[in-house]
Amino acid sequence: DVKVTQSSRYLVKRTGEKVFLECVQDMDHENMFWYRQDPGLGLRLIYFSYDVKMKEKGDIPEGYSVSREKKERFSLILESASTNQTSMYLCASSLVGGRAKTDTQYFGPGTRLTVL
Amino acid sequence: GEDVEQSLFLSVREGDSSVINCTYTDSSSTYLYWYKQEPGAGLQLLTYIFSNMDMKQDQRLTVLLNKKDKHLSLRIADTQTGDSAIYFCAAGAPGGATNKLIFGTGTLLAVQP
Repeated sequence: DVKVTQSSRYLVKRTGEKVFLECVQDMDHENMFWYRQDPGLGLRLIYFSYDVKMKEKGDIPEGYSVSREKKERFSLILESASTNQTSMYLCASSLVGGRAKTDTQYFGPGTRLTVL
Repeated sequence: GEDVEQSLFLSVREGDSSVINCTYTDSSSTYLYWYKQEPGAGLQLLTYIFSNMDMKQDQRLTVLLNKKDKHLSLRIADTQTGDSAIYFCAAGAPGGATNKLIFGTGTLLAVQP
């Protein structure tokens, strides 16, 4: 079974702090994704990565950056946390096209971040 | 680009059938997906359907695809309280190496005992 883990289930930070959210997958997936989930807005893509050291902006990258130094690990960084970044953050991974029949993404359990 | 829409809320009684609907805009999506999210958890893949199929059945779940109207539905037979969750429809975004998915806003299914 694919396993995607996230470093924390719950996190409370103060405004202005630098925040690191870590995601690890154990299935040798090329693609990794960071989403935020807010009520009534569904999932919005922040950043994705299709290979080590490769990244592309999603729909809402402002205020965030990412790092992918190893294939299995994808980090989301909030350079200076703000209250409007309070949200549920979900990480996902998938195989690249050609290695997979479908685009199925496998999700971690999520990190609920509160910024005070 | 692709846009996926769902109604926000559905309430059913235990034992009834639930039907969750979804519309999408890009007819070139190859696969369409249904994910389930239980409270406080990540998304779990329920099922998917290939775009050249009309229907797919998996135990209590039936997926119907009307490609002409770009309409996808998920029917849950004999709905149980354990089916209470948020259900997300997703369409594969065509093109590129990243195989992105475009998610709907999610439908909260509330099952009344």
